[in-house]
Amino acid sequence: GAGVSQSPSNKVTEKGKDVELRCDPISGHTALYWYRQSLGQGLEFLIYFQGNSAPDKSGLPSDRFSAERTGGSVSTLTIQRTQQEDSAVYLCASSLALDRVNQPQHFGDGTRLSIL
Amino acid sequence: KNEVEQSPQNLTAQEGEFITINCSYSVGISALHWLQQHPGGGIVSLFMLSSGKKKHGRLIATINIQEKHSSLHITASHPRDSAVYICAVRLAYTDKLIFGTGTRLQVFP
Repeated sequence: GAGVSQSPSNKVTEKGKDVELRCDPISGHTALYWYRQSLGQGLEFLIYFQGNSAPDKSGLPSDRFSAERTGGSVSTLTIQRTQQEDSAVYLCASSLALDRVNQPQHFGDGTRLSIL
Repeated sequence: KNEVEQSPQNLTAQEGEFITINCSYSVGISALHWLQQHPGGGIVSLFMLSSGKKKHGRLIATINIQEKHSSLHITASHPRDSAVYICAVRLAYTDKLIFGTGTRLQVFP
Protein backbone atom coordinates (compact mmCIF):
# COMPACT_ATOMS: atom_id res chain seq x y z
CA GLY A 1 0.00 0.00 0.00
CA ALA A 2 0.89 3.66 -0.16
CA GLY A 3 1.34 4.11 3.57
CA VAL A 4 1.60 2.31 6.89
CA SER A 5 -1.63 0.48 7.61
CA GLN A 6 -2.80 -0.48 11.09
CA SER A 7 -5.73 -2.60 12.12
CA PRO A 8 -8.09 -2.45 13.79
CA SER A 9 -8.46 1.31 13.95
CA ASN A 10 -10.43 0.98 17.18
CA LYS A 11 -10.62 -1.85 19.68
CA VAL A 12 -12.74 -2.01 22.80
CA THR A 13 -12.28 -5.01 25.05
CA GLU A 14 -12.82 -6.13 28.59
CA LYS A 15 -10.11 -6.13 31.21
CA GLY A 16 -8.30 -9.44 31.28
CA LYS A 17 -8.77 -10.27 27.60
CA ASP A 18 -5.89 -10.62 25.15
CA VAL A 19 -5.65 -8.27 22.16
CA GLU A 20 -3.63 -8.38 18.97
CA LEU A 21 -2.78 -5.28 16.98
CA ARG A 22 -1.51 -5.43 13.42
CA CYS A 23 0.81 -3.23 11.40
CA ASP A 24 1.49 -3.41 7.66
CA PRO A 25 4.55 -1.29 6.90
CA ILE A 26 5.34 0.43 3.63
CA SER A 27 6.61 -2.13 1.14
CA GLY A 28 10.39 -2.34 1.24
CA HIS A 29 10.75 -0.71 4.65
CA THR A 30 12.94 -2.96 6.76
CA ALA A 31 12.64 -1.01 10.01
CA LEU A 32 9.39 -1.08 11.97
CA TYR A 33 8.56 0.69 15.23
CA TRP A 34 5.76 0.45 17.77
CA TYR A 35 4.84 3.41 19.99
CA ARG A 36 2.13 4.12 22.52
CA GLN A 37 0.37 7.38 23.29
CA SER A 38 -1.75 7.40 26.41
CA LEU A 39 -4.47 10.02 26.80
CA GLY A 40 -2.89 13.40 27.44
CA GLN A 41 0.60 11.91 27.41
CA GLY A 42 3.48 12.03 25.00
CA LEU A 43 4.61 9.29 22.67
CA GLU A 44 6.40 6.33 24.25
CA PHE A 45 8.74 3.97 22.41
CA LEU A 46 7.82 0.29 22.77
CA ILE A 47 9.90 -1.83 20.39
CA TYR A 48 11.85 -1.69 17.16
CA PHE A 49 12.33 -4.34 14.46
CA GLN A 50 15.10 -4.51 11.91
CA GLY A 51 13.89 -7.20 9.55
CA ASN A 52 12.38 -9.89 11.76
CA SER A 53 14.60 -9.30 14.77
CA ALA A 54 14.00 -6.89 17.64
CA PRO A 55 17.36 -5.71 19.01
CA ASP A 56 15.75 -3.38 21.55
CA LYS A 57 12.78 -4.58 23.60
CA SER A 58 13.50 -2.30 26.54
CA GLY A 59 10.43 -0.16 25.94
CA LEU A 60 7.86 -2.90 26.43
CA PRO A 61 6.02 -1.95 29.64
CA SER A 62 5.64 -5.46 31.06
CA ASP A 63 5.90 -9.14 30.18
CA ARG A 64 2.23 -9.01 29.12
CA PHE A 65 3.39 -7.20 25.99
CA SER A 66 5.03 -9.04 23.11
CA ALA A 67 5.61 -8.32 19.45
CA GLU A 68 6.68 -10.29 16.45
CA ARG A 69 7.38 -9.68 12.82
CA THR A 70 7.35 -12.30 10.10
CA GLY A 71 8.71 -12.20 6.57
CA GLY A 72 10.22 -8.80 7.24
CA SER A 73 6.80 -7.26 6.72
CA VAL A 74 3.69 -7.48 8.90
CA SER A 75 4.09 -7.06 12.65
CA THR A 76 1.72 -7.88 15.47
CA LEU A 77 1.73 -6.41 18.95
CA THR A 78 0.03 -8.65 21.50
CA ILE A 79 -1.14 -7.59 24.92
CA GLN A 80 -2.13 -10.40 27.25
CA ARG A 81 -4.48 -10.04 30.22
CA THR A 82 -5.20 -6.42 29.38
CA GLN A 83 -5.42 -3.84 32.14
CA GLN A 84 -7.14 -0.47 32.11
CA GLU A 85 -3.79 1.32 32.04
CA ASP A 86 -3.15 -0.32 28.66
CA SER A 87 -5.77 2.00 27.14
CA ALA A 88 -3.94 4.17 24.62
CA VAL A 89 -3.36 4.78 20.95
CA TYR A 90 -0.82 2.32 19.62
CA LEU A 91 1.13 3.70 16.69
CA CYS A 92 3.28 1.89 14.18
CA ALA A 93 5.91 3.48 11.96
CA SER A 94 8.25 2.16 9.32
CA SER A 95 11.36 3.40 7.59
CA LEU A 96 14.10 2.35 5.25
CA ALA A 97 17.12 1.30 7.24
CA LEU A 98 20.13 1.13 5.00
CA ASP A 99 23.43 0.52 6.74
CA ARG A 100 22.05 2.30 9.81
CA VAL A 101 21.77 5.60 7.93
CA ASN A 102 19.02 7.61 9.54
CA GLN A 103 15.81 7.56 7.58
CA PRO A 104 12.54 9.38 8.30
CA GLN A 105 9.74 7.35 9.83
CA HIS A 106 6.31 7.07 8.27
CA PHE A 107 3.48 6.67 10.76
CA GLY A 108 0.23 4.76 10.56
CA ASP A 109 -3.02 6.21 11.88
CA GLY A 110 -2.83 4.09 15.02
CA THR A 111 -5.10 1.68 16.86
CA ARG A 112 -7.16 3.25 19.62
CA LEU A 113 -7.41 0.62 22.38
CA SER A 114 -9.93 1.01 25.16
CA ILE A 115 -10.01 -1.41 28.07
CA LEU A 116 -13.28 -1.46 29.98
CA LYS B 1 14.24 16.02 34.39
CA ASN B 2 13.04 14.74 31.01
CA GLU B 3 15.74 13.86 28.53
CA VAL B 4 13.90 15.89 25.87
CA GLU B 5 12.34 19.21 26.83
CA GLN B 6 10.16 21.32 24.60
CA SER B 7 9.05 24.90 25.02
CA PRO B 8 6.58 26.39 25.08
CA GLN B 9 4.00 23.74 25.98
CA ASN B 10 1.22 25.83 24.49
CA LEU B 11 1.40 28.58 21.93
CA THR B 12 -1.25 30.78 20.37
CA ALA B 13 -0.62 33.09 17.46
CA GLN B 14 -2.39 35.29 14.96
CA GLU B 15 -2.32 34.31 11.34
CA GLY B 16 0.84 35.58 9.69
CA GLU B 17 3.02 35.56 12.79
CA PHE B 18 6.45 33.96 12.91
CA ILE B 19 6.48 30.94 15.23
CA THR B 20 9.42 29.34 17.05
CA ILE B 21 9.27 26.09 19.00
CA ASN B 22 12.32 24.96 20.94
CA CYS B 23 13.68 21.55 21.85
CA SER B 24 16.58 20.81 24.22
CA TYR B 25 17.97 17.38 24.98
CA SER B 26 20.45 15.98 27.45
CA VAL B 27 21.54 12.75 25.78
CA GLY B 28 23.83 11.81 22.93
CA ILE B 29 21.90 11.54 19.72
CA SER B 30 22.38 10.49 16.14
CA ALA B 31 19.41 12.43 14.78
CA LEU B 32 16.50 14.63 15.78
CA HIS B 33 12.98 14.47 14.37
CA TRP B 34 10.24 17.07 14.26
CA LEU B 35 6.76 15.55 14.00
CA GLN B 36 3.34 17.12 13.52
CA GLN B 37 0.22 15.61 15.07
CA HIS B 38 -3.12 16.99 13.97
CA PRO B 39 -6.38 16.75 15.91
CA GLY B 40 -7.59 13.23 15.19
CA GLY B 41 -4.13 11.89 15.90
CA GLY B 42 -2.39 11.45 12.53
CA ILE B 43 1.37 11.96 12.79
CA VAL B 44 3.50 13.34 10.00
CA SER B 45 7.27 13.46 10.00
CA LEU B 46 8.32 17.02 9.15
CA PHE B 47 12.08 16.89 9.43
CA MET B 48 14.90 14.59 10.39
CA LEU B 49 18.21 16.28 10.90
CA SER B 50 21.59 15.59 12.43
CA SER B 51 23.27 18.92 11.74
CA GLY B 52 22.67 22.38 10.34
CA LYS B 53 19.38 23.50 8.91
CA LYS B 54 16.58 22.18 6.72
CA LYS B 55 13.76 24.07 5.01
CA HIS B 56 10.50 22.84 3.56
CA GLY B 57 8.02 25.44 2.42
CA ARG B 58 7.24 27.72 5.36
CA LEU B 59 8.92 25.39 7.84
CA ILE B 60 12.56 25.64 8.91
CA ALA B 61 14.35 23.35 11.36
CA THR B 62 17.76 23.99 12.84
CA ILE B 63 19.96 22.01 15.18
CA ASN B 64 23.03 22.93 17.23
CA ILE B 65 24.73 19.70 18.25
CA GLN B 66 27.17 21.38 20.64
CA GLU B 67 24.38 23.14 22.52
CA LYS B 68 22.01 20.13 22.25
CA HIS B 69 19.25 22.35 20.99
CA SER B 70 16.92 22.45 18.01
CA SER B 71 14.30 24.92 16.85
CA LEU B 72 11.34 24.62 14.52
CA HIS B 73 10.26 27.85 12.86
CA ILE B 74 7.04 28.50 10.97
CA THR B 75 6.95 31.61 8.80
CA ALA B 76 3.67 33.34 7.86
CA SER B 77 1.66 31.03 10.13
CA HIS B 78 -1.78 29.89 9.05
CA PRO B 79 -4.72 28.36 10.94
CA ARG B 80 -4.04 25.03 9.21
CA ASP B 81 -0.68 24.95 11.04
CA SER B 82 -2.63 24.38 14.27
CA ALA B 83 -1.39 21.06 15.63
CA VAL B 84 0.86 19.51 18.24
CA TYR B 85 4.52 19.66 17.27
CA ILE B 86 6.71 16.94 18.75
CA CYS B 87 10.48 16.78 19.01
CA ALA B 88 12.04 13.32 19.16
CA VAL B 89 15.68 12.30 19.40
CA ARG B 90 17.27 9.07 18.24
CA LEU B 91 19.69 7.90 20.90
CA ALA B 92 23.24 7.47 19.66
CA TYR B 93 24.21 3.87 18.88
CA THR B 94 20.60 2.67 19.18
CA ASP B 95 17.42 2.91 17.17
CA LYS B 96 15.37 4.10 20.13
CA LEU B 97 13.47 7.38 19.96
CA ILE B 98 12.75 9.54 22.99
CA PHE B 99 9.97 12.07 22.61
CA GLY B 100 9.30 15.50 24.02
CA THR B 101 5.86 16.17 25.42
CA GLY B 102 4.90 18.32 22.47
CA THR B 103 3.95 21.93 21.84
CA ARG B 104 0.30 22.65 21.14
CA LEU B 105 0.04 25.44 18.57
CA GLN B 106 -3.17 27.29 17.76
CA VAL B 107 -3.15 29.87 14.98
CA PHE B 108 -6.17 32.15 14.85
CA PRO B 109 -7.36 33.96 11.71
